[in-house]
Amino acid sequence: GAVVSQHPSWVICKSGTSVKIECRSLDFQATTMFWYRQFPKQSLMLMATSNEGSKATYEQGVEKDKFLINHASLTLSTLTVTSAHPEDSSFYICSAPDRGPGAFFGQGTRLTVV
Amino acid sequence: AQSVTQLGSHVSVSEGALVLLRCNYSSSVPPYLFWYVQYPNQGLQLLLKYTSAATLVKGINGFEAEFKKSETSFHLTKPSAHMSDAAEYFCAVSDDLSSASKIIFGSGTRLSIRP
Repeated sequence: GAVVSQHPSWVICKSGTSVKIECRSLDFQATTMFWYRQFPKQSLMLMATSNEGSKATYEQGVEKDKFLINHASLTLSTLTVTSAHPEDSSFYICSAPDRGPGAFFGQGTRLTVV
Repeated sequence: AQSVTQLGSHVSVSEGALVLLRCNYSSSVPPYLFWYVQYPNQGLQLLLKYTSAATLVKGINGFEAEFKKSETSFHLTKPSAHMSDAAEYFCAVSDDLSSASKIIFGSGTRLSIRP
């Protein structure tokens, strides 16, 4: 099946710095990708829809200036957490559409801000 | 807007016993429904999905789910639990009015298996 790969799988950064997370579709093209975040012992919350060649669409309550999304190619979307703070520590997961209903998910990135 | 509700944040069963994880959906249009499994610090693995082809859907690892429109339910079952089934399970929904790939998740159910 199709594979979606995230990098890095975990990252620790200092408060105030920025962190970039990559999401790649390895054997297919994805004009759309989705970014989710998951707090410990909670569900996945959709943050934004990443659109190749255009601006991302953010869900209500998600700060677009804090979570910068770039989808510059058909196989790569990036999420940059700017000026990270400890409350941004979370598990971030991306997905790309299946041919039919559904999506393929990356393995996730554990972000810890200290 | 579509949503799913998972009843029970934690379910514990004995090894070999029936597994039943409950999910009810809310959607104004015929939904697509999914069950995903997540192991600690890992991404999601699709167990099965309902796309209106058949109401009883069989998935991987012996799991199956039945779509019941009258009850707006999509409960996940497995006849005999195995220790390796211990994980977090998410019911999810999407529709094709916006994007069939924009998936909304339930709150999750943690499944524990007793030896």
